[in-house]
Amino acid sequence: EIVMTQSPATLSVSPRERATLSCRASHDVISNLAWYQHKPGQAPRLLIYGASTRATDIPARFSGSGSGTEFTLTISNLQSEDFAVYYCQQYNNWPFTFGQGTRLDIK
Amino acid sequence: QVQLVESGGGLVKPGGSLRLSCAASGFTFSDYYMSWLRQAPGKGLEWVSHISTSSTYTDYADSVKGRFTISRDNAKNSLYLQMNSLRVEDTAVFYCAIYNSGWYSYWGQGTLVTVSS
Repeated sequence: EIVMTQSPATLSVSPRERATLSCRASHDVISNLAWYQHKPGQAPRLLIYGASTRATDIPARFSGSGSGTEFTLTISNLQSEDFAVYYCQQYNNWPFTFGQGTRLDIK
Repeated sequence: QVQLVESGGGLVKPGGSLRLSCAASGFTFSDYYMSWLRQAPGKGLEWVSHISTSSTYTDYADSVKGRFTISRDNAKNSLYLQMNSLRVEDTAVFYCAIYNSGWYSYWGQGTLVTVSS
């Protein structure tokens, strides 16, 4: 099973600044990586798939990069609605696995 | 718009059973593989099971194989998860989601399953 490790566990950033979230895979997942946003009591929301392709209706301030074992989610010009928990997920090998999440807090 | 609404969660004793349902709307349900995922308290997300469009193909995480059964009714736009022999470690919020080429494009808000004596 591929282990996904996200860092940091918690990130505190001020509104209108940039947040950079990292995700590392224990084995090469090529570009088969997705990112999700999750707010308490709400449905998780797909942000990025294919490591860098934004999902439908996702604002351009969300961008994904990386391949192989190292991936990054960058959120520019942070808005109040962006403070949430973010998860990465690999879909290169079964079983598909998720990282433990990065909580993005308001500084 | 796409809506997925889970129901059927609750409190059950170890060894008991529950049947979760997921009502889908806003898309052509029969065109998509569907999945169940879960999140235990304080833990990350975990894939549980998925089912093909016509129910021909199903798969399960090792942790639930032999105890959980996924099914769907395309006429009713509904997805189900029959959970038997429940364990304390099955306590989690269960989500249904649309499976799309590896990622999960839409999720429901989840239903809480608590297994406790």
